[in-house]
Amino acid sequence: AQSVTQLDSQVPVFEEAPVELRCNYSSSVSVYLFWYVQYPNQGLQLLLKYLSGSTLVKGINGFEAEFNKSQTSFHLRKPSVHISDTAEYFCAVSGLKAAGNKLTFGGGTRVLVKP
Amino acid sequence: DAGVIQSPRHEVTEMGQEVTLRCKPISGHNSLFWYRQTMMRGLELLIYFNNNVPIDDSGMPEDRFSAKMPNASFSTLKIQPSEPRDSAVYFCASRPVGGRASDEQFFGPGTRLTVL
Repeated sequence: AQSVTQLDSQVPVFEEAPVELRCNYSSSVSVYLFWYVQYPNQGLQLLLKYLSGSTLVKGINGFEAEFNKSQTSFHLRKPSVHISDTAEYFCAVSGLKAAGNKLTFGGGTRVLVKP
Repeated sequence: DAGVIQSPRHEVTEMGQEVTLRCKPISGHNSLFWYRQTMMRGLELLIYFNNNVPIDDSGMPEDRFSAKMPNASFSTLKIQPSEPRDSAVYFCASRPVGGRASDEQFFGPGTRLTVL
């Protein structure tokens, strides 16, 4: 079984400032890691995912995340946010095997970008 | 492609009534997931199907909830009878053929259910 903890429920940030959203996971097996974004009144969209290889993953809209196996973390960052980045962000994990191919989501982090 | 389609987008009903939520996955996708999102519990997986067969329904809260996938292009989530605590946003998601754990899930816009 896996679990995901997003340490911040809300993150206010000024436009053009950097932002980091923290995600820690727990699993007895190797996992794939994902970040999804949910804009107001919409479904979730994939931002990026880590499968293997380089621990720094680049996604859409200027976001990137770094996988740290020793700390079981997968923090999301953006060096300069826009008003349009106001949304809720979800970290998720999935087991590698077919039997564990369902996603387990964290509680979400709501990002509010202020002008 | 139109993406995952869910209907209705909003549903308001009274306690005790039957509610049916509908989902049309992306054509060619063979995995389908139903999620529920609430402020208190976040995003929870209710049930998922592979090739129209329910694989894991351990997230279905109780017998009042049932889900079906009669064919590859249609799924329903039914609540009977509905209760106020069922108020939530219900999402449907689908995934391409192959069903790999590394594949992206594509989410619909959700159905916002309010049970009075």
